[in-house]
Amino acid sequence: EAQVTQNPRYLITVTGKKLTVTCSQNMNHEYMSWYRQDPGLGLRQIYYSMNVEVTDKGDVPEGYKVSRKEKRNFPLILESPSPNQTSLYFCASSLSIQGFYNSPLHFGNGTRLTVT
Amino acid sequence: SQKIEQNSEALNIQEGKTATLTCNYTNYSPAYLQWYRQDPGRGPVFLLLIRENEKEKRKERLKVTFDTTLKQSLFHITASQPADSATYLCALDMILSGGTGGSYIPTFGRGTSLIVHP
Repeated sequence: EAQVTQNPRYLITVTGKKLTVTCSQNMNHEYMSWYRQDPGLGLRQIYYSMNVEVTDKGDVPEGYKVSRKEKRNFPLILESPSPNQTSLYFCASSLSIQGFYNSPLHFGNGTRLTVT
Repeated sequence: SQKIEQNSEALNIQEGKTATLTCNYTNYSPAYLQWYRQDPGRGPVFLLLIRENEKEKRKERLKVTFDTTLKQSLFHITASQPADSATYLCALDMILSGGTGGSYIPTFGRGTSLIVHP
């Protein structure tokens, strides 16, 4: 089944303890992206990747890191989490975002992170 | 900067009626506009994509219109059902690099909650 898989689904951690949220897609998609969703603020893009070894900042990149060593995986790293990073996180992928081949996003089921 | 507006107030309608949701935008001319459905605690699910040169697109009970002059998209669900209750997000594809075949990054509105009462 074609899907975007995020893990873990729920995560409670303490301030400063490094964590990684994994994201994997099995559709051979070029484009992958991380979003956070907060009440009243909607979906905000953290980082995105156009292809392997190509990543770039979105609208709210501070406090996050990403890597794209393989096409299927796009982990989100919080080196030193803080309470303001408590949020619902979504990974998404798309076959392509190139103009003529623009295709929609497939989202994972989300990771609810709480930082105390 | 470009701005996407969706009604923050929930839309309440009776089963069987047509639901109409609005997406307005300013300071931008998107090449594509997408609509997604999101259920509580779940990831958004793609519904429809419409291009700037298309006026209208349909899929089963769903219809999307795109008016580039008014800078507005309308999303219609006909013969609505309680199972259609969800939050609906519009996303505008913002060009990343110019020229033919440029890359487009979707930017999302905050969504409108639809509640269909039986």
